[in-house]
Amino acid sequence: KAGVTQTPRYLIKTRGQQVTLSCSPISGHRSVSWYQQTPGQGLQFLFEYFSETQRNKGNFPGRFSGRQFSNSRSEMNVSTLELGDSALYLCASSWGPTGELFFGEGSRLTVL
Amino acid sequence: GQQVMQIPQYQHVQEGEDFTTYCNSSTTLSNIQWYKQRPGGHPVFLIQLVKSGEVKKQKRLTFQFGEAKKNSSLHITATQTTDVGTYFCAGLKMNSNSGYALNFGKGTSLLVTP
Repeated sequence: KAGVTQTPRYLIKTRGQQVTLSCSPISGHRSVSWYQQTPGQGLQFLFEYFSETQRNKGNFPGRFSGRQFSNSRSEMNVSTLELGDSALYLCASSWGPTGELFFGEGSRLTVL
Repeated sequence: GQQVMQIPQYQHVQEGEDFTTYCNSSTTLSNIQWYKQRPGGHPVFLIQLVKSGEVKKQKRLTFQFGEAKKNSSLHITATQTTDVGTYFCAGLKMNSNSGYALNFGKGTSLLVTP
């Protein structure tokens, strides 16, 4: 069974640009959540989607947004990139709201 | 918002020594999960604790959930070099929208030297 797939794996952007990251969950998983991981702050929750609805959102500015499609695939977008947005962005899927998370390999974003 | 504190931040042990990491939440949790992330890898689920006072074992790993469902610990007996990595606890709390947020502690990085 295929795991969680994230694309792209690595990307470099400059300040002010915007970026879109993609996540394909494990087949059958309807819940997708996104996390930002940095050395200083650890894993910080961005948002969680279930059946195309955002059910929970972390404490990130409005520049961070996401969506989920009918096939459960999800995208997150960061607009007007800042240097501090450099991080590993991890997507995770699960069967339901309280089950274990299956993480993808992540998308490593570098903002110059 | 919900805070999940984890200590220590780093631990360096000799192979064969024991290791413990502690997790504390400011609020009562629905459940707590533990993950391990190897260097350069992604977090991998280890276990979930749901009941007050629950204790679970996986070989050399022992997980506990506090009576008040606000704290948890992971204890590794006789560490091996394969235990190297960062161990995260994650506390789950449901919100009124039937959504959930799994809030991670900052992790404990374990280094084991032979």
